[in-house]
Amino acid sequence: DVKVTQSSRYLVKRTGEKVFLECVQDMDHENMFWYRQDPGLGLRLIYFSYDVKMKEKGDIPEGYSVSREKKERFSLILESASTNQTSMYLCASSSHRANYGYTFGSGTRLTVV
Amino acid sequence: QKEVEQNSGPLSVPEGAIASLNCTYSDRGSQSFFWYRQYSGKSPELIMSIYSNGDKEDGRFTAQLNKASQYVSLLIRDSQPSDSATYLCAVGGYALNFGKGTSLLVTP
Repeated sequence: DVKVTQSSRYLVKRTGEKVFLECVQDMDHENMFWYRQDPGLGLRLIYFSYDVKMKEKGDIPEGYSVSREKKERFSLILESASTNQTSMYLCASSSHRANYGYTFGSGTRLTVV
Repeated sequence: QKEVEQNSGPLSVPEGAIASLNCTYSDRGSQSFFWYRQYSGKSPELIMSIYSNGDKEDGRFTAQLNKASQYVSLLIRDSQPSDSATYLCAVGGYALNFGKGTSLLVTP
C-alpha cells in the first residue's frame, strides 16, 4: 500500500522554538506539498517542491521554510514558532504518472503555546 | 488569488437519494480537477478526477466538468450514511487550490 508518512500525529511546541515537520513518501513521486488546514479557511498551500533541492512558495510561505535533500523526504520548518501557526499540517505528494492527483499523509496537529 | 468556491453546507439528503455537490473556480488555465472526501479528524482522500469537459462515472460517483462555465460538480447516487463527510473540490495544474469544502450529511 502506497504511503505518505508524517512523523508526528500530535505536536506541542513553545513560542519561539524551531520546529521540524517531516514527511516521507514511498511512491517515487516527483512533487511534494505542504498545506495547513484551519476551520473556515480550508487548505492553504505553504510550499511545494517538484524535484530534489527545488522549492516553490505557495500562498502563505511567511514564517516557514522547507528542505528537500532526497526525493522521498520533504521537511517543513517553522523558524520561530508562533501561536498563529497552531494548525493541522498536511503533507501530500503527486506524480505526472498519476495525473497529479495528491496522496495525503495523515496530518500533524501542531499546537504552539 | 486563484479562487475555488463551494457552498459550505451542510447538505442533508436522505439515504438512497442523489447528492449533488458544486464547485466554481476562477483560473481559466486550470487543467486538472479533483474531488476529495474528508472524514472528521482524517486527511483528504481522492475519490474522483476529471480533465476534460463532460461526465466521468466511477461506481456511484459522477464528476461533471464545464470549462466554459468554470464549473465542476460531483453527483453521488444511492447516498449512504457512510458518505457523510466533507467534500473538497481541488483545481489546478500540479499544485492544487482547494475549496473550503461542502459538508454532506446522509440521514438514514
